[in-house]
Formats: sequence, C-alpha cells, structure tokens
Amino acid sequence: KAGVTQTPRYLIKTRGQQVTLSCSPISGHRSVSWYQQTPGQGLQFLFEYFSETQRNKGNFPGRFSGRQFSNSRSEMNVSTLELGDSALYLCASSPGPSRNQPQHFGDGTRLSIL
Amino acid sequence: ELKVEQNPLFLSMQEGKNYTIYCNYSTTSDRLYWYRQDPGKSLESLFVLLSNGAVKQEGRLMASLDTKARLSTLHITAAVHDLSATYFCAVDSPYSGTYKYIFGTGTRLKVLA
Repeated sequence: KAGVTQTPRYLIKTRGQQVTLSCSPISGHRSVSWYQQTPGQGLQFLFEYFSETQRNKGNFPGRFSGRQFSNSRSEMNVSTLELGDSALYLCASSPGPSRNQPQHFGDGTRLSIL
Repeated sequence: ELKVEQNPLFLSMQEGKNYTIYCNYSTTSDRLYWYRQDPGKSLESLFVLLSNGAVKQEGRLMASLDTKARLSTLHITAAVHDLSATYFCAVDSPYSGTYKYIFGTGTRLKVLA
C-alpha cells in the first residue's frame, strides 16, 4: 500500500510569490492534515480536511489556505510568501477524523524563501 | 495561552536504562498524542491517548495520560540505540469552534551504546 505522497519535495521561491503544495493520502484515507515545522516555532498545526471540508484549523493568517478534492487529495496554498514561511511542510492522513486515530505522515515539502 | 511543555528537552542515556519523558499542558484536553521524528525525517505517530487513565505500550515505549493532572508520560524501558530520536507530544484544544493541535518543543533522546 502506497504511503502519503507529498510533492514537490523541495521548492525555492522568492518573497511575494505564491506556492501550492500537494498531498496524496493513503488510499481509503479521508482525512488530510497539514503541519509546518521550523527551527524557531517548532511544529505547528495548519488545518485538517475531512471529506472535502475543513474541519479543524490552527492559528495561521489567511495567506495559508487549503482544499481537498473528492479523491481525498489535498493542496495547500501560501500566497504573498514571506521569509518566515521557509519551513518543512508535513502532510498526514488518517482513515477518519485525526482526533481519534494515528496519522500517517508524508516525507514533507521543504520550502525555502529567498 | 495554551502551553505544552516537555521535559527534559535533551536526554542522553545508556543502553539498557529506563527513563521517562514528561509532557505537561495548560488546557483542558482529553486527548494526547505522541510522535517520533528521526533526524532529517518526517514524523511517525506513536500513540493516541483518548481518555483519562489511558495507557498504551509498543515495544519498549509506554505512554500514559492523566487528564486531571494535565500530564502525560512516555516511559522508555531498557533503552536501545534505535530509540534515538526526537519525541513530541501534542494536545488538541478547542479553537474557534473547531480544534487545533498544540505541540511540545520535543525531547531529543540519544541512547549511548
């Protein structure tokens, strides 16, 4: 069974640009969550999508948005990139709502902002 | 503001020894999560503790949750080198009608042969 796939693995952007990251969950998983990891702020929860609806959300500005498609694949978009957005972005999936069960993580997308 | 504190932040221990990592949190939450992260790698979910008194064990790791004390422990029994990693705990907290996860700063564990 294929694991959680995140693309691209590495990305370099400049300030002011926008970026879209993709996450394909494990087959049959309907919940996808996104996390940001930085040396300064640590691990932070961005949002969770379940059955194409955003169910839970962290404390991030509106520049961070996401969506989930009918096949459970999810995308995260960050607009007007700032230097502080440089981070490892992790995606995780679970069969049902993430609050009740273990999540399976992808390898992450490392985003660098110049 | 909700805080999740782990201690110790760094732990160096000999193989074969036992030790406990503590996770304290400042909000009411009945769920707690433990994760492992190897250097340069992604996260791995270890335990999901869903209620007060919950105890889960996997190999040499055992996690427990005391929601009244707002405390979770991750106990390591007879440590081996393969357990060297950073361990994170997280709680979920109500936020604007939904929930958000708050992570601890992590405990970097190094098991010495």
